[in-house]
Amino acid sequence: DIQMTQSPSSVSASVGDRVTITCRASQGVSRWLAWFQQKPGKAPKLLIYAASTLQSGVPSRFSGSGSGTDFTLTISSLQPEDFATYYCQQADTFPITFGQGTRLDIK
Amino acid sequence: QVQLQESGPGLVKPSETLSLTCTVSGASITRDYWTWIRQPPGKELDWIGYIFASGSTNYNPSLKSRVTISVDTSKNQFSLNVTSVTAADTAVYYCARGITTMTTWDYWGQGILVTVSS
Repeated sequence: DIQMTQSPSSVSASVGDRVTITCRASQGVSRWLAWFQQKPGKAPKLLIYAASTLQSGVPSRFSGSGSGTDFTLTISSLQPEDFATYYCQQADTFPITFGQGTRLDIK
Repeated sequence: QVQLQESGPGLVKPSETLSLTCTVSGASITRDYWTWIRQPPGKELDWIGYIFASGSTNYNPSLKSRVTISVDTSKNQFSLNVTSVTAADTAVYYCARGITTMTTWDYWGQGILVTVSS
């Protein structure tokens, strides 16, 4: 199985900050990488797919980049509603696997 | 507006079968593909498998011998069965709809917590 490793595991930031989360795959996944946001007690929400394509309705402050094994999710200016846990997911090779999550807390 | 809703028992005894149903509204089950994903308490997401309306399936090998996903087009529903459950199967179970451009999911149910305990 492809292992997805996110860093950091947790990060504290303030409203207005720029935050970058990294996801590394144990082998290349081309651009078959998605990012989700999950708030406590809620289902994950698709933010980005195919590494950099913004899902409809997602604010433009979210962006994704990367290919192969290294990917990033960037939030350009944190808003209060962005404090959540973020997961990456690869879809290049079955079984589909997720990262362990990055928790974004208010500083 | 596409909506998905999981239903089923919240408590299952060890060695028994976990059975859940996902009811889809606002979209036809005969299009797209439909997925089950679970999340043990405090842990990351774990893909279980998916099904196309044709009945074609793809399962996670870690669960393959115990999992069956099926579709009922007459009810616009799809279902999950997991046999011989243990405490390790305790999780929030989500159903979701796949998007066409890659294997990921845009609409999700709210999730249902299933606890395996005697």
